[in-house]
Amino acid sequence: AQTVTQSQPEMSVQEAETVTLSCTYDTSESDYYLFWYKQPPSRQMILVIRQEAYKQQNATENRFSVNFQKAAKSFSLKISDSQLGDAAMYFCAYKWGGSNYKLTFGKGTLLTVNP
Amino acid sequence: GAGVSQSPSNKVTEKGKDVELRCDPISGHTALYWYRQSLGQGLEFLIYFQGNSAPDKSGLPSDRFSAERTGGSVSTLTIQRTQQEDSAVYLCASILGGGSTDTQYFGPGTRLTVL
Repeated sequence: AQTVTQSQPEMSVQEAETVTLSCTYDTSESDYYLFWYKQPPSRQMILVIRQEAYKQQNATENRFSVNFQKAAKSFSLKISDSQLGDAAMYFCAYKWGGSNYKLTFGKGTLLTVNP
Repeated sequence: GAGVSQSPSNKVTEKGKDVELRCDPISGHTALYWYRQSLGQGLEFLIYFQGNSAPDKSGLPSDRFSAERTGGSVSTLTIQRTQQEDSAVYLCASILGGGSTDTQYFGPGTRLTVL
């Protein structure tokens, strides 16, 4: 079974600084997708970034980028120029590329942004 | 509507009572998921609906849990004879086509508290 591990229950960063959130996963599949979701206090899960396993290039969305290391099964999220609005719970998630449509989530990392 | 909506936002009930949670997916989205988020945990898959196909109920924790999706749109998650361990945030998500590359769009969730 696939598992997703986020080893950092909590992280903090100063405004305008850079922070990296860690995620590792376990799978025997070669075709899959990885996601980072943000959940602010409003509870609304918002997709931050996604990565297709077959792509070697790391995904980037404005201030958010990933470091995808397929062999190491690592998928970290880097947030540059952190803003107060980035404070939230961040979840890493995995989805198999086949007919299995379920997302498997990590337990999350609570990010605090200090002014 | 523009996004996935869920009602009620919060629900407090007494142990042993039945509750119904509602999800309105994004118009035109054919697939719908229910997840449960317990305190300090990631999201746990409960059930998946795709078009007119039989739902995948493999994540439902007990036979006290059931869900329906009427007319391929609105879904209701019912929990019978609620227990204190059912207390959690229940999240609904929808996707456009049910393909492996589709992004899940989440609602704000219903926070269920069983006293």
